[in-house]
Amino acid sequence: GAVVSQHPSWVICKSGTSVKIECRSLDFQATTMFWYRQFPKQSLMLMATSNEGSKATYEQGVEKDKFLINHASLTLSTLTVTSAHPEDSSFYICSARPLAGGDNEQFFGPGTRLTVL
Amino acid sequence: QKEVEQDPGPLSVPEGAIVSLNCTYSNSAFQYFMWYRQYSRKGPELLMYTYSSGNKEDGRFTAQVDKSSKYISLFIRDSQPSDSATYLCAMNSGGYQKVTFGTGTKLQVIP
Repeated sequence: GAVVSQHPSWVICKSGTSVKIECRSLDFQATTMFWYRQFPKQSLMLMATSNEGSKATYEQGVEKDKFLINHASLTLSTLTVTSAHPEDSSFYICSARPLAGGDNEQFFGPGTRLTVL
Repeated sequence: QKEVEQDPGPLSVPEGAIVSLNCTYSNSAFQYFMWYRQYSRKGPELLMYTYSSGNKEDGRFTAQVDKSSKYISLFIRDSQPSDSATYLCAMNSGGYQKVTFGTGTKLQVIP
């Protein structure tokens, strides 16, 4: 149980285009989903927290107009990187907090590797 | 100064060795401490979860928290090649608070 999937697992796009990444909780409902990015040899950096049916809360320094987050249901959140640039190339990981679970419980997806040419 | 410091390694040990992984932190409000294992190009998976100071054991893994020193450790006994991964410490002040991660220590267990 407690499986989180991400799609796609990797994507290559041209500079200036937009890319959408999906995060799904497959066997549980998630009140909250988190989006992280991870650069090589660096820590996971929280980008934003999204709650189903409400606007996402972005961390300081993360552009909300560039990284659009939609949490349309209790099992799906999407991250859209708009007008992508090479510096947006990174490993994007989502996690989901179960509706019925401990306060600190979160399950991570396998990540999406984005390369912007 | 980072809130959480973790030696990135890499750490190479022979199979069967005892591995010690550590993190230090500066925020005295942190009360919940986690260790995650992350294989290459995969998302992290939770290994251990502890609250406040003390030890917790789960199979070959033991987590220790010393809040007075702001120091946490993960010990792996009888290490196996399959333990080769990056280990991230993580912590927060509890409840629905933001989790802060260390940079991760890359471990290689050599057969």
